[in-house]
Amino acid sequence: AQSVTQLGSHVSVSEGALVLLRCNYSSSVPPYLFWYVQYPNQGLQLLLKYTTGATLVKGINGFEAEFKKSETSFHLTKPSAHMSDAAEYFCAVSVGGSNYKLTFGKGTLLTVNP
Amino acid sequence: EPEVTQTPSHQVTQMGQEVILRCVPISNHLYFYWYRQILGQKVEFLVSFYNNEISEKSEIFDDQFSVERPDGSNFTLKIRSTKLEDSAMYFCAEGGASGRGEQFFGPGTRLTVL
Repeated sequence: AQSVTQLGSHVSVSEGALVLLRCNYSSSVPPYLFWYVQYPNQGLQLLLKYTTGATLVKGINGFEAEFKKSETSFHLTKPSAHMSDAAEYFCAVSVGGSNYKLTFGKGTLLTVNP
Repeated sequence: EPEVTQTPSHQVTQMGQEVILRCVPISNHLYFYWYRQILGQKVEFLVSFYNNEISEKSEIFDDQFSVERPDGSNFTLKIRSTKLEDSAMYFCAEGGASGRGEQFFGPGTRLTVL
């Protein structure tokens, strides 16, 4: 079975600062990896995904993530935080043999200070 | 991008009552899922549905739960006799025809059991 660990339930950054949200996964087979964002009282929006190919993936709103197999990590970064980035971020993993169901981490709440 | 829709957006019910949550999927998708998110907790997989059959269900998805595609388009989650602990946000999601786990989420139904 696969699992996801997100380090830090709450991350606070200043506007314009680097955003780094950490995600480590566990999977016995090659995983597909995702970051979703949830704004207050809204559903889950896909930020970016890694399936195969290039290990550095770019998503919406200037976010990117790098798949590092040796470290079993898929950390999410953004060079310069914006106030509108304040939200909850979920890392998720799926594998083909399990109907591609998503296993989520506990989430990281990102706060952006002016 | 077409959107997955869910109705109702908020449902309040008394303990022991039956509720039906509805999802209108995007056409041409093969996999359908229900997830739930208890307030302040991570998103949890409930059930996956493929080719008009349940393909996998979690431990949470006990005999009180059922899923259907009654008219070949809408996708429903029924809770037969609600409990207080069923209070949560319920999300339906669809997997694209390409598989690989990318899923499109609806906005969710907030279920409150009193």
